This record gives sequence, structure tokens and C-alpha cells, in this order.
Amino acid sequence: QVQLQESGPGLVKPPQTLSLTCTVSGASISRGGYYWSWIRQHPGKGLEWIGHIYYSGSTTYNPSLKSRVTISVDTSKNQFSLNLSSVTAADTAVYYCAREDIDESGSFYAHWGQGKLVTVSS
Amino acid sequence: QSVLTQPPSASGTPGQRVTVSCSGGSSNIGRNTVNWYQQLPGAAPRIVMYNYNKRPSGVPDRFSGSQSGTSASLAISGLQPEDEAEYHCAAWDDSLNAWVFGGGTKLTVL
Repeated sequence: QVQLQESGPGLVKPPQTLSLTCTVSGASISRGGYYWSWIRQHPGKGLEWIGHIYYSGSTTYNPSLKSRVTISVDTSKNQFSLNLSSVTAADTAVYYCAREDIDESGSFYAHWGQGKLVTVSS
Repeated sequence: QSVLTQPPSASGTPGQRVTVSCSGGSSNIGRNTVNWYQQLPGAAPRIVMYNYNKRPSGVPDRFSGSQSGTSASLAISGLQPEDEAEYHCAAWDDSLNAWVFGGGTKLTVL
């Protein structure tokens, strides 16, 4: 079955860059047909969409984070990555990677990673 | 401040029917279908309803979804203790060109 796993540092100093990688198993990013996304959840809060990428490298970002976000894909490793620059304490959150499935009526997140808590602190 | 509005909490006793509401606007729920995610404490979200009324395999038929205008709701009938969780609604927003979520509703089974 499809599995996603986030990896990367759990502690980042401000104003450095937060970098996470999502490794996908059970599905090939390069086959297309899905968007690969990053979503975060601040402690005790709701979910916030960061952005997504298609296997071709085409990206869409949340306008509120667009100036600081880069999502990239490495189809040879079946991974996609998140870089969030100039972090502050407000970027402390659990970061999830997820696969966006598409059907004839719309799309939805059917597969999620377990989440990676990233704390921003000096 | 979430783009979609959900009540922060809801509750019911075992066997009851409860509904969780989600209110949005013309650029999100008014144009696109709503998805619902269930999140148990310490776990990743899990899809329980997509395209407002489709249930993924493995989700009991006690769960149902509806959508009208700029609002949507998730109904759970025959409430079970294992339904106690946080529920999040989500929709694509055509103006923001982004997914937007509600703040989440914590459902307590009394």
C-alpha cells in the first residue's frame, strides 16, 4: 500500500531554513496522476495547506507562505521536499506530507505521512 | 483564523446522531466539493468523506455528508466511542488557488 514518511531535523534555529523530505513507497511519483503535498498543523490548531507539486515539477503554493516556500521533487529517489526559509517560532508545527488523489468530482487527501514535529527555537 | 468555519466542539451519547457543520464562501464550498478528515489524538488525519458524500472503503455507513450553497455538514449516526476525534473540513478555494481548512471540531462521546 501507499506509504509516506517525513524526515528531517526536528529543531531549526531562526531565521534558518526548514528542510523536510517525504519518501514515498508503494507508488511511483513519476507515474503522474497525483499531486504531492505538504500540510502543517500548529500545536492545538487546525490544518494549513502549504503547497503541492506534480511529478513534472509544476507547483502551487499557499499565497500566505509563497514568498518563503519551495517544494521540489526527485523522481529518481521517489521523494519530494519542502524548504521554508526565514523561519520564526510561528513556524513551529507538525508537518505532514500527503498524496492528493483525483477523481471525476474533485480531489482529496487519501494518504498521509505520520507527521514530523518541527520546533523553531534558538 | 481559518477560512472555513467549524464549531470548536460537539458532543453526543452512544447511539445518538450528531452533525458537524462547516461554513465557507462562494470561492470555496460554493464552487467545490468538501472533504472531511478524522484525526485521533497524536495521529495523522484520515479521510472519512470526500466529494461531500462519498465514503472511502473502511469508513462505516454511519458517516454521511451533505453540502448546500456555502455550507457543508458531516453526520454520524449511531455514535460509537471510537468516533471521538477531531474532524476537519476542507475545500479547494478558487480565489486563493489553495486548499483551505476549517479550524476543526472536537467531537466528544459522553
